[in-house]
Amino acid sequence: AQKITQTQPGMFVQEKEAVTLDCTYDTSDPSYGLFWYKQPSSGEMIFLIYQGSYDQQNATEGRYSLNFQKARKSANLVISASQLGDSAMYFCAMREGRSNSGYALNFGKGTSLLVTP
Amino acid sequence: GAVVSQHPSWVICKSGTSVKIECRSLDFQATTMFWYRQFPKQSLMLMATSNEGSKATYEQGVEKDKFLINHASLTLSTLTVTSAHPEDSSFYICSAKMGNTEAFFGQGTRLTVV
Repeated sequence: AQKITQTQPGMFVQEKEAVTLDCTYDTSDPSYGLFWYKQPSSGEMIFLIYQGSYDQQNATEGRYSLNFQKARKSANLVISASQLGDSAMYFCAMREGRSNSGYALNFGKGTSLLVTP
Repeated sequence: GAVVSQHPSWVICKSGTSVKIECRSLDFQATTMFWYRQFPKQSLMLMATSNEGSKATYEQGVEKDKFLINHASLTLSTLTVTSAHPEDSSFYICSAKMGNTEAFFGQGTRLTVV
C-alpha cells in the first residue's frame, strides 16, 4: 500500500504567489517524521523541512512551511512568495518508527512545480 | 547542513562491466547510509540499508549479488553494480542519517549502460 500520496503530478504558480503542495500519509506507527525535498533537474535532493509526529507546532523554514494536520494525516508544503528558482520536483517523504531506528524514507511520487513569470 | 558527497556524478559503461559508486559523509559520522534508485520521472525507491561494519539489508526484489554494498567505515559506503545491463541504467542516490531529524543526500549518480 502506498504510504505517501502526492495527488498533484504538476502544479503551476505565478512568481511571488504562494503555492500549496499536497501530501497525505498512511501509518499506524505513533512515532514518525515527515520530510519535504526539492529535486531540481540536476538530480540532487535538497532537504527543505521536517515535521515530527509529536511536534506541537507546524514547522517553518524561511519561505517553506508545513501545514501538519495529524488527524487528517496530511502534511502539505506551503511555499510563499514563489521564485523562478523554485521550479523543480518536490517529494514528500516519511520515516516511521523512533528517530534513531535507522529506518529509511518512503517517498511519494512527487509534484512537478513550475513557477511562471 | 551536513555534506554527503557521491562520486561519480555520472558514468557510462559497457554492458557486462561493473561500476562502483562511492558515498561519503564529509563532516559527520554516518552509522547508517541508504541507497536509492530513481528511474526517469519516478520516485526514489529504497534499494538497501547499509550499516557500518555489517552486511547491508536489501529490499525485496533487489539482487544482493548484483548490487554489492560495502560500508567499511563511518564515512564511506560503496555500491557496486556488477555485470551491468542497460536495464540497470538509472539515477542512484545515497543518503546518510545524521541525528534525529534530517537525512542528507549525495548528489546522485546517473548510470548509463550501453
